[in-house]
Amino acid sequence: AQSVAQPEDQVNVAEGNPLTVKCTYSVSGNPYLFWYVQYPNRGLQFLLKYITGDNLVKGSYGFEAEFNKSQTSFHLKKPSALVSDSALYFCAVSYGNTGGFKTIFGAGTRLFVKA
Amino acid sequence: KAGVTQTPRYLIKTRGQQVTLSCSPISGHRSVSWYQQTPGQGLQFLFEYFSETQRNKGNFPGRFSGRQFSNSRSEMNVSTLELGDSALYLCASSLSRSYEQYFGPGTRLTVT
Repeated sequence: AQSVAQPEDQVNVAEGNPLTVKCTYSVSGNPYLFWYVQYPNRGLQFLLKYITGDNLVKGSYGFEAEFNKSQTSFHLKKPSALVSDSALYFCAVSYGNTGGFKTIFGAGTRLFVKA
Repeated sequence: KAGVTQTPRYLIKTRGQQVTLSCSPISGHRSVSWYQQTPGQGLQFLFEYFSETQRNKGNFPGRFSGRQFSNSRSEMNVSTLELGDSALYLCASSLSRSYEQYFGPGTRLTVT
């Protein structure tokens, strides 16, 4: 079965330190990979995506993610965390074909950035 | 551009009733997907519509159905509501699979 795993329910980092939020997936074919963020009382917002090409993709708010095909991982990173980065982060994988697609989400990782 | 809008934002229904939720995608987006978000199950894919056709469906019972109109607006219907249907229902639109999805604020459904 197709699945997306975010192994950490919560990640705690100090402001100014680098952060990593992990994501691995088990999806056949060549899935498209996404990261979304959900702030309290706000909808999900797109951060970045990997479709093809360079394994390191850059997105909004200074976030980047590294795609590793052999490890089927797509970890989210940021060199220097901000308190305002505290939110719920979702990894998502889209798969399918021209006939339609499905998107499955990981369970989410809550990021706490401490001042 | 206006974002994805969903109506109503909040809804309280009784077990056994039915409910219809509405979603208006971003102008030009023809793909609309629906998700159920609960604390226990996270975000679960319900279905995806493109040009009025349901192209994919998640693992939900037949009580969950939807449709898309020619202007890409979509509705989701849940019949014979159960307590477990209480959730935040999110609608998302996109240009296609390779593009990111834009999410609406959701409809919070409470079944009593």
